[in-house]
Amino acid sequence: EDQVTQSPEALRLQEGESSSLNCSYTVSGLRGLFWYRQDPGKGPEFLFTLYSAGEEKEKERLKATLTKKESFLHITAPKPEDSATYLCAVQAGTGFQKLVFGTGTRLLVSP
Amino acid sequence: NAGVTQTPKFQVLKTGQSMTLQCAQDMNHEYMSWYRQDPGMGLRLIHYSVGAGITDQGEVPNGYNVSRSTTEDFPLRLLSAAPSQTSVYFCASSSRQSIGANVLTFGAGSRLTVL
Repeated sequence: EDQVTQSPEALRLQEGESSSLNCSYTVSGLRGLFWYRQDPGKGPEFLFTLYSAGEEKEKERLKATLTKKESFLHITAPKPEDSATYLCAVQAGTGFQKLVFGTGTRLLVSP
Repeated sequence: NAGVTQTPKFQVLKTGQSMTLQCAQDMNHEYMSWYRQDPGMGLRLIHYSVGAGITDQGEVPNGYNVSRSTTEDFPLRLLSAAPSQTSVYFCASSSRQSIGANVLTFGAGSRLTVL
């Protein structure tokens, strides 16, 4: 059974204090691993897709990396506006690919 | 603005009542899906559609019906609401990709409370 586990559940950082969020997964035939950002009262917003081990993608202060068992979302010098819940999801198979989501990491960045 | 539109944003129902959550997208996406989000749980797939006239069940389909008569619309019907259906519901759409993975575009969500 495909499974996604995210840690920590919640993370509190001071502005400028870099850290990483973890997403561990087990899936048969990974087609893609996704990172989404979700603000309170809003729908998830797409950040990155990673396809194979060793791949990295960056966007502003965020960098996502992928290994065969886990993905990390590195946040460098975060700002208060980076506060949100970050969701990880995996997609497997062909045709309509059902995503399996983790429960998310709630990030709070204090000024 | 192009995207996924959900209505209503908030709804309170009594046990046994029925209602329909509306979802529309204007991106000409083939795939549409409904998820529910509950505290401490990841988003879970309720029903999905790969095109007009085609629907299928996801992980938690019981108590919900869907239909897809047009590419743009994918309503979710609650037949007889139960307190266990209290949740936040998200509609999402994506284009069919022959390679790579599908990026979902989500609506803003519909918060449903069943008393």
